[in-house]
Formats: sequence, structure tokens, C-alpha cells
Amino acid sequence: DAGVIQSPRHEVTEMGQEVTLRCKPISGHNSLFWYRQTMMRGLELLIYFNNNVPIDDSGMPEDRFSAKMPNASFSTLKIQPSEPRDSAVYFCASSPGGPQHFGDGTRLSIL
Amino acid sequence: SQQGEEDPQALSIQEGENATMNCSYKTSINNLQWYRQNSGRGLVHLILIRSNEREKHSGRLRVTLDTSKKSSSLLITASRAADTASYFCATDPGTASKLTFGTGTRLQVTL
Repeated sequence: DAGVIQSPRHEVTEMGQEVTLRCKPISGHNSLFWYRQTMMRGLELLIYFNNNVPIDDSGMPEDRFSAKMPNASFSTLKIQPSEPRDSAVYFCASSPGGPQHFGDGTRLSIL
Repeated sequence: SQQGEEDPQALSIQEGENATMNCSYKTSINNLQWYRQNSGRGLVHLILIRSNEREKHSGRLRVTLDTSKKSSSLLITASRAADTASYFCATDPGTASKLTFGTGTRLQVTL
């Protein structure tokens, strides 16, 4: 089993640029989660999908953030425009219900 | 927001010793889960304990749950250098598999 695959692993970009993070969940998992991890705020849930439908996006910080899940095998998290305070590690996780399986994250640095 | 608060924030022990980490939470739960995070990697699920269980074992791991005190503990016996990681508790209220993670305990196991 390939596990949850995230790309890119690292992203460095300048303030104001659009950033797109990608996630391929484990096949057969019907729930997908996007998290952000920082030293100051710990691990925060941004949004989660169930059967490709967004269920709860209350953790999305502001309108600059958007997430889509066009099909069961792919999701994106987009930040436009990006700001330095968006620098963090972003994790995608999937679940068939119960325990979640995490990817290794995208380390995002906004200069 | 963080549901779980973990204690201690950091723990340093020698190989062979036992490590105990505690988690307190605030609201009712369906289950509580423990995860491990190695440096630069995603979280890995370790063990799940349901609200009607008091203790659970998995290999060198022992988890207890006291719902009256809204607390859980994770015991790692006979620790190894490879156990060096951050450990997080996560609470599941039982609706749509949405987890809320604690602040984590950084465990350092030295030779």
C-alpha cells in the first residue's frame, strides 16, 4: 500500500504567489483531511471531506485558502495570495473511518 | 483549538526505562487515539481506545482512559532509541471521524 502521497514535499515561494498543494489519499478511504502544523499553534484541522464532499471548512483561516476534491483519488489545497504567516507544514490524511493515515507533509515557506 | 493538553511537554529518558505521557481533554468522546510523529514525517496511528474501555495494550504500549477525569495516559515500556518522537493524543467525538489533536509530548530516548 503506497500510503497517502503529498506533493511537493517542500515549497519555497515569494509572498503574493499562488501555492497549490496536492494529495492522493489511500484508495478506498472515504474521508480526507487537511491539517496545518506550526510550533505556535500545533496541529490544526483546516477542512475535511467525506465522499469528496466538503463537510467542515471552519478551520480554513480565511478566503485566501480553498480546497477541492474533484474525485476520490485527488485533492488540492490552494493559497492565493500567499503570505509569510502561511509558512507551516501542511498535512493531508485519509481514513476509512476511525484512525487516520497521514502523508509526510508539504513544508511551505513564504518569503 | 486544542482539545487535548499533554503532559509533560518534553521527556528525556534512557533506553530501557519506561515513558509515561498524559493527555487531558474537555468534552465527551467516542474514542481517544494516540499518534507518533518522527521528525520530518507525518503522524502514525498507534492505538485507539473507546470510551467504554479502561485499558488497552499493544506490544510495548499501554493506554489507559478515565472518562470521569477526562484523561488518558500512554505508557511505553522498555523504551528504545527508535521511540524518540513526538506523541499526540487525539479525541474523536464520534461524528464524521473529525479528530482534535493535543499539543504533544516530545520524547527523547538516549543510549
